[in-house]
Amino acid sequence: DTGVSQDPRHKITKRGQNVTFRCDPISEHNRLYWYRQTLGQGPEFLTYFQNEAQLEKSRLLSDRFSAERPKGSFSTLEIQRTEQGDSAMYLCASSSYLSGRLNTEAFFGQGTRLTVV
Amino acid sequence: AQRVTQPEKLLSVFKGAPVELKCNYSYSGSPELFWYVQYSRQRLQLLLRHISRESIKGFTADLNKGETSFHLKKPFAQEEDSAMYYCALFMKTSYDKVIFGPGTSLSVIP
Repeated sequence: DTGVSQDPRHKITKRGQNVTFRCDPISEHNRLYWYRQTLGQGPEFLTYFQNEAQLEKSRLLSDRFSAERPKGSFSTLEIQRTEQGDSAMYLCASSSYLSGRLNTEAFFGQGTRLTVV
Repeated sequence: AQRVTQPEKLLSVFKGAPVELKCNYSYSGSPELFWYVQYSRQRLQLLLRHISRESIKGFTADLNKGETSFHLKKPFAQEEDSAMYYCALFMKTSYDKVIFGPGTSLSVIP
């Protein structure tokens, strides 16, 4: 499968623990997005990168959340001191973006389902 | 504030009946709109975008700037159309990004 891959697919953790998720985008894509999706809601934007630069972080992203894309390829999303409200599906997407051109399609991964108990 | 609304959480239609999934947006700039679909146990994928003016799997969507709408339509629903549908808005701001509506679950009854 040469699409966007996310690892792990499922994560159950105790409240207060730290968790880290990984996203491997489509190799030639320079844009990488993180979204969070809870039951009955559409994906909510969290943050995104262009190459290794983190361009924007949503106000939804508290200080406990941090994302990196150190070499402009894969990205990690870390949640520290998890809370029950963090339980959600975390989606990663990537796209190829060139300034001045129309935005191209974002390809999504299968997501990481986090359950905080 | 920029937002995307989809007024129907659930929509049920009979096979062969016309279907329309509503989407309205609020955005002061020039909008670029998409419909994404998520079939059961599959990842979210692009269905169509208004720029392309295309018909995918019999679905079409027309951008109406006056009514700030981008409704998705299909004249004859098929069982395989049952899925979650999300309307999405690409905002060209200083940092452009895509925001999604809450989604509509379409169920096509055989």
